[in-house]
Amino acid sequence: DAGVTQSPTHLIKTRGQQVTLRCSPISGHKSVSWYQQVLGQGPQFIFQYYEKEERGRGNFPDRFSARQFPNYSSELNVNALLLGDSALYLCASSSSGTGVSGTQYFGPGTRLTVL
Amino acid sequence: AQTVTQSQPEMSVQEAETVTLSCTYDTSENNYYLFWYKQPPSRQMILVIRQEAYKQQNATENRFSVNFQKAAKSFSLKISDSQLGDTAMYFCAFMGMDSNYQLIWGAGTKLIIKP
Repeated sequence: DAGVTQSPTHLIKTRGQQVTLRCSPISGHKSVSWYQQVLGQGPQFIFQYYEKEERGRGNFPDRFSARQFPNYSSELNVNALLLGDSALYLCASSSSGTGVSGTQYFGPGTRLTVL
Repeated sequence: AQTVTQSQPEMSVQEAETVTLSCTYDTSENNYYLFWYKQPPSRQMILVIRQEAYKQQNATENRFSVNFQKAAKSFSLKISDSQLGDTAMYFCAFMGMDSNYQLIWGAGTKLIIKP
């Protein structure tokens, strides 16, 4: 079975631009979470979606938004990019989002560079 | 707020040796899960092992085992018979049932296995 997939692998943008990152969860998983990992640090939670509804949001500005589609895939959008948005963006899927079924499995990430 | 602390920025051992990575956490919750993830240079975050807080028995997965001390809020990872492929960043993560289902991460420990 395919794991979590993310696209694109790498992305280079300039300040002020907008970017959309995509994620497809493991088949049968209904929950998707997004994390930002700055070089040399642990990931920081951005969003979690379950059954197409936002269930959790981290401490990120409103420039960050996300959505989940009926097939459970998800998009993360970032507007008005800043240099500080340069990071690895990780997507994780889980079966239900809670308890043991909340164990999160990660995709390979999207490396975003903002110039 | 929950926090996760990994006090060892970097460790190195010889191949076939045993190594223990430390992790402490702070929470007021009673029901939670703890995880160790591995992130090799390929960047993909890989689940190593999971521990449910309500279980007294320490989790084990092949060469990987944990020492979970709930009262001390300690969760260390032991890697036996270390292999070159174990070289990676290792992250300890916490998920509380009251934490919006997000993973809260430590800063990571860089583990180098020397031939």
